[in-house]
Amino acid sequence: AQSVTQLDSQVPVFEEAPVELRCNYSSSVSVYLFWYVQYPNQGLQLLLKYLSGSTLVKGINGFEAEFNKSQTSFHLRKPSVHISDTAEYFCAVLKGGYNKLIFGAGTRLAVHP
Amino acid sequence: ETGVTQSPTHLIKTRGQQVTLRCSSQSGHNTVSWYQQALGQGPQFIFQYYREEENGRGNFPPRFSGLQFPNYSSELNVNALELDDSALYLCASSFGQREETQYFGPGTRLLVL
Repeated sequence: AQSVTQLDSQVPVFEEAPVELRCNYSSSVSVYLFWYVQYPNQGLQLLLKYLSGSTLVKGINGFEAEFNKSQTSFHLRKPSVHISDTAEYFCAVLKGGYNKLIFGAGTRLAVHP
Repeated sequence: ETGVTQSPTHLIKTRGQQVTLRCSSQSGHNTVSWYQQALGQGPQFIFQYYREEENGRGNFPPRFSGLQFPNYSSELNVNALELDDSALYLCASSFGQREETQYFGPGTRLLVL
């Protein structure tokens, strides 16, 4: 069975510092991987996705992620965060067959001035 | 191009009642998936509809049911509400059964008292 583990439930960081949000997945087959962001009292917004090809994926708002098959990881990074990046971030893997997303528990990114 | 919309935004019900949540998919999308997000957790897959047929179901009891209409909008119905049904209910639309990217609506927050 596929599963997603987000290794940090909370990540505090100062404004303009770099950040990495960690995500590991388990799967015995090819995977599609996603990062979504959820701002307070809102739905999920797609940040970026890995389907195939280059293992370094660039998304919106300056975020990027690297797919590492040998380590079964898909960590999200941003070189310099802003106060407005404060939100909940979810890593998800697509379960094939009928397009079911399996989400991690989320990482709360708190950016402080 | 309109995004995914959901109604109502908030809802309060009492235990044992029934509720219907609604979702309008993004223009051009024919697949709708429903997720339940309990407080502090990642979304959990409830079921998916493709061209008006249920196309996969998560680990939810039969009192969770749905419909998809010819215009691809969808309803989620929950009967015999329980306190644990209190959650944010998210609808996501995509194109095709195997389309990788799902686009989420803002969600309906349900509180069961």
